[in-house]
Amino acid sequence: QQPVQSPQAVILREGEDAVINCSSSKALYSVHWYRQKHGEAPVFLMILLKGGEQKGHDKISASFNEKKQQSSLYLTASQLSYSGTYFCGTRASGTYKYIFGTGTRLKVLA
Amino acid sequence: DAMVIQNPRYQVTQFGKPVTLSCSQTLNHNVMYWYQQKSSQAPKLLFHYYDKDFNNEADTPDNFQSRRPNTSFCFLDIRSPGLGDAAMYLCATSRGAVTNEKLFFGSGTQLSVL
Repeated sequence: QQPVQSPQAVILREGEDAVINCSSSKALYSVHWYRQKHGEAPVFLMILLKGGEQKGHDKISASFNEKKQQSSLYLTASQLSYSGTYFCGTRASGTYKYIFGTGTRLKVLA
Repeated sequence: DAMVIQNPRYQVTQFGKPVTLSCSQTLNHNVMYWYQQKSSQAPKLLFHYYDKDFNNEADTPDNFQSRRPNTSFCFLDIRSPGLGDAAMYLCATSRGAVTNEKLFFGSGTQLSVL
């Protein structure tokens, strides 16, 4: 079942923060985050494996809740380059079938 | 550099005229995926392979078929393209050693149907 992301879209000014959520009705084995620019392939950002895990690099970080049913991506002090569509991705447990969340369009304005 | 290569980058076909999209990889990955992505939507899984083991999504139209003749190459055949098949088609791979690995993507093929 496809994970649901919220919000569907968000508009920010440079320097503002954003949070993108990815929710599933079932526990996820792991969750990946990607950013996709228009007309390009998705670019991998990070992976979370364990319930309660938090990780990040630079001004982008993510968390995975204890039940492994929700992950959040945190963008702090946003830059123009952060604009794009963000997807969470996951595999069905025990398989290699890989599906994406519904997506969140983010636009950063100068 | 090891990579995933999709050809062509842009493909124009006529309504009902068969078309083949290709994907090759130098990563020696066991798993290969084909996704269809329409404007403002998430990539939608069409097929995936673990080596030669083929997995077809239940809602993938019969009009779409795939071949993987060897580890390096994978093809997506659209037998009779309709206007609704215009989309970006993404090929991706993963190593296949464990199920939590990220995907490596090709640059995609943008298909137009006239």
